[in-house]
Amino acid sequence: AQSVSQHNHHVILSEAASLELGCNYSYGGTVNLFWYVQYPGQHLQLLLKYFSGDPLVKGIKGFEAEFIKSKFSFNLRKPSVQWSDTAEYFCAVNSPYNQGGKLIFGQGTELSVKP
Amino acid sequence: DAGVIQSPRHEVTEMGQEVTLRCKPISGHNSLFWYRQTMMRGLELLIYFNNNVPIDDSGMPEDRFSAKMPNASFSTLKIQPSEPRDSAVYFCASDRENTIYFGEGSWLTVV
Repeated sequence: AQSVSQHNHHVILSEAASLELGCNYSYGGTVNLFWYVQYPGQHLQLLLKYFSGDPLVKGIKGFEAEFIKSKFSFNLRKPSVQWSDTAEYFCAVNSPYNQGGKLIFGQGTELSVKP
Repeated sequence: DAGVIQSPRHEVTEMGQEVTLRCKPISGHNSLFWYRQTMMRGLELLIYFNNNVPIDDSGMPEDRFSAKMPNASFSTLKIQPSEPRDSAVYFCASDRENTIYFGEGSWLTVV
């Protein structure tokens, strides 16, 4: 069965620090990979996605993620975080062959950025 | 594009009452999902539809929960009777070409 693991439950950083959030997935076939962000009290918004091609994908607000197939990983990065990046971040995976694109989510990582 | 529209945004109800949550997916999206989010359990997929047909309802907690999608532009999630442990944020989402977009959620409190 597909599963997604986010290793960090809560990350605390100061502004301008670099960010890397880990995400590993378990699935034997081709996958699509996503990062979503949920700001306090709001809904999930798509940050970026990987379907195929260049394994380094760039998303909104300066975020990027790298797909490393051999490690089953899709880590999220940002070189310099801002206070406004305080949010919960979810990694997710689906299979392009599953009808309807059912997403499997990780447990989420809460990021707190200190001003 | 209007995005996924959910109603009500907030609801407080008494235990035992029926609750109906509504969702209008993005036009042209073929799949619709109902998720529940709580602090304890995180994001849970309750049910999803493809072309208005329920595909996987294994996440529906129990018989008190039911979902329908009578047409491509409308879905409901009903809880009858509601219980305090149903308090959560319920998100509807729709999908096109394997990318899922979420509504703003319905914040349900059962007292």
